[in-house]
Amino acid sequence: QSVLTQPPSASGTPGQRVTISCSGSRSNIGSYTVNWYQQLPGTAPKFLMYGNNQRPSGVPDRFSGSKSGTSASLAISGLQSEDEADYYCAAWDDSLNAVVFGGGTKLTVL
Amino acid sequence: EVQLVQSGGGLVQPGGSLKLSCVASGFTFSDFAMHWVRQASGKGLEWVGRIGKKTENYATPYAASVKGRFTISRDDLRNTAYLQMSSLKTDDTAVYYCTRDREVVGIDYWGQGTLVTVSS
Repeated sequence: QSVLTQPPSASGTPGQRVTISCSGSRSNIGSYTVNWYQQLPGTAPKFLMYGNNQRPSGVPDRFSGSKSGTSASLAISGLQSEDEADYYCAAWDDSLNAVVFGGGTKLTVL
Repeated sequence: EVQLVQSGGGLVQPGGSLKLSCVASGFTFSDFAMHWVRQASGKGLEWVGRIGKKTENYATPYAASVKGRFTISRDDLRNTAYLQMSSLKTDDTAVYYCTRDREVVGIDYWGQGTLVTVSS
């Protein structure tokens, strides 16, 4: 069982806005910033978001992030078929002295 | 262009050892901490451990599941990070990723991954 909790699945139709949640605790999300990673089928994860809401160069502005207390979320607007992937949140945890990941959310574009 | 090129995976028997390598290019390797992350087939990402840079005294925190069995090291002259795995268990079967840590930002770049299969 993962330290950070994500819904196992999410879905939407092209053009819709979807949100993926990530719930943690005071020792991780409550104290540190959250990163998000996108993993397309059969590939290595890709850096998608850092510092809760900062997009690395090259990531479309359709992707946005937020954090409140011990929870974070990733929003994807104008959903496209190419967004179909697994999404993972991550943060440092000072109780475990470790990086902790969410269990991943499989996004399906209907 | 930042590249992390991994090698060293394969099939190993339970109780055996294996060493993975990760050669970095496109950035000043010695200025960055490095992590290893693994992913069992059909499962999520699991952090394995980290090695700090020289200014962090090359500190190496590990996940509880591998502590005492796995060792992360680095050679800044060869721009290479290593993951030495010993006393391997079937549960260690996974794709192992080498990743770069950018200060304040966290894990940004990922290697291509290498499959380690622990089976008799």
